[in-house]
Amino acid sequence: QVQLQESGPGLVRPSETLSLTCSVSGYSITRGYYWAWIRQPPGKGLEWIGSIYHRGSSFYNSSLSSRVTMSVDTSRNQFSLKLNSVTAADTAVYYCARNPHNTVGGVDIIYWFDPWGQGTLVTVSS
Amino acid sequence: EAVLTQSPGTLSLSPGERATLSCTASESVSATFLAWYQQKPGQTPRLLIYHASSRATGIPDRFSGSGSGTDFTLTISRLEPEDFAVYYCQQYGGSLITFGQGTRLEIK
Repeated sequence: QVQLQESGPGLVRPSETLSLTCSVSGYSITRGYYWAWIRQPPGKGLEWIGSIYHRGSSFYNSSLSSRVTMSVDTSRNQFSLKLNSVTAADTAVYYCARNPHNTVGGVDIIYWFDPWGQGTLVTVSS
Repeated sequence: EAVLTQSPGTLSLSPGERATLSCTASESVSATFLAWYQQKPGQTPRLLIYHASSRATGIPDRFSGSGSGTDFTLTISRLEPEDFAVYYCQQYGGSLITFGQGTRLEIK
């Protein structure tokens, strides 16, 4: 069964770049799904960050798109998130997840998230 | 992109009762492109419902979803102790995805 595991620093300094990796096991990331990042500030709700396909297509939350870069490493069956110029407002649990999609008229439509990784807390603080 | 508003913010019920959770979109959601998740404290969100009314794998049939357009409902027919959690709706009508702010279902 597919499993996802986030990894990366738990503490990032303000104005620096947050970098996380999601390792996927039990399923090849080249097999027809998008792969997503979602975050959840402590005690708050969920916010979608973006989704990426192994061939490079991607969708980003417009409120974060100027600071977000996502990439895929098919040789390692991993995908990654970089968020630059972080502030305390970026403190959150960051989840990775598998993101089904469909293609209609040549346009990809991304759907729900399942399964999710266990999440990793990233704190932005000096 | 559609803003999703969930109501009520908190719902207090007893085991065995029926729970009805609402999710209202600020603009019509494409087709029935809405999902529901359950999140227990300290745990990862779990997909319950997709396409507004399809149960995800392994989800008990006491969970059901309905609705279309701007108004969606998650119903738990008979609450079990393990159902008390926070529930989120999510719309995926296009290239943008948004979540509702959540409904906390607590034991009365």
